[in-house]
Amino acid sequence: EDQVTQSPEALRLQEGESSSLNCSYTVSGLRGLFWYRQDPGKGPEFLFTLYSAGEEKEKERLKATLTKKESFLHITAPKPEDSATYLCAVQASWWGANNLFFGTGTRLTVIP
Amino acid sequence: DVKVTQSSRYLVKRTGEKVFLECVQDMDHENMFWYRQDPGLGLRLIYFSYDVKMKEKGDIPEGYSVSREKKERFSLILESASTNQTSMYLCASSLSGDRDHGYTFGSGTRLTVV
Repeated sequence: EDQVTQSPEALRLQEGESSSLNCSYTVSGLRGLFWYRQDPGKGPEFLFTLYSAGEEKEKERLKATLTKKESFLHITAPKPEDSATYLCAVQASWWGANNLFFGTGTRLTVIP
Repeated sequence: DVKVTQSSRYLVKRTGEKVFLECVQDMDHENMFWYRQDPGLGLRLIYFSYDVKMKEKGDIPEGYSVSREKKERFSLILESASTNQTSMYLCASSLSGDRDHGYTFGSGTRLTVV
């Protein structure tokens, strides 16, 4: 059965304390893995797309990596404004050209 | 700046009412989606559309219908609202073949059915 699992469910960090969020997936024919950020009461905001194992992408304090079984979102020296829920989603080749399957997210809190 | 606009941020409706949630995008995207988001369950796909007047069921279509009469507008209809449809509803759009930019989401409509 295809699945997307994110861990931990919640993470509290001190400002400047680096850490990683995990997204593990079991899906046949991965076409892409997506990371989104969601602030309370708002829709998700696109961050990255990763297509193949070994690929990495960076944006400010965020770096996303991909293996054949999981993706990590590394947060380096986080700031309070990085507090949000981070969602992972996968696109499989047989789900249709554009459908995404989402994980339940990791709620990140960065304490000043 | 590209946008997906959902007509209401908050709605309170009574059980049995017919409810319309409207979504408009200004990016000329072919694909539009309706999700609901519930704590612990994540985003679940209700319906999607690849073109005008075209619709496909997602994972949880029961109790919902959709309409796409124009490319920019995708409406979600709750034929007879029930309390278990209390949720955050998110509309999204995407350009076919463009994975580099993912989906663009609206700000969501928090629907409460009493």
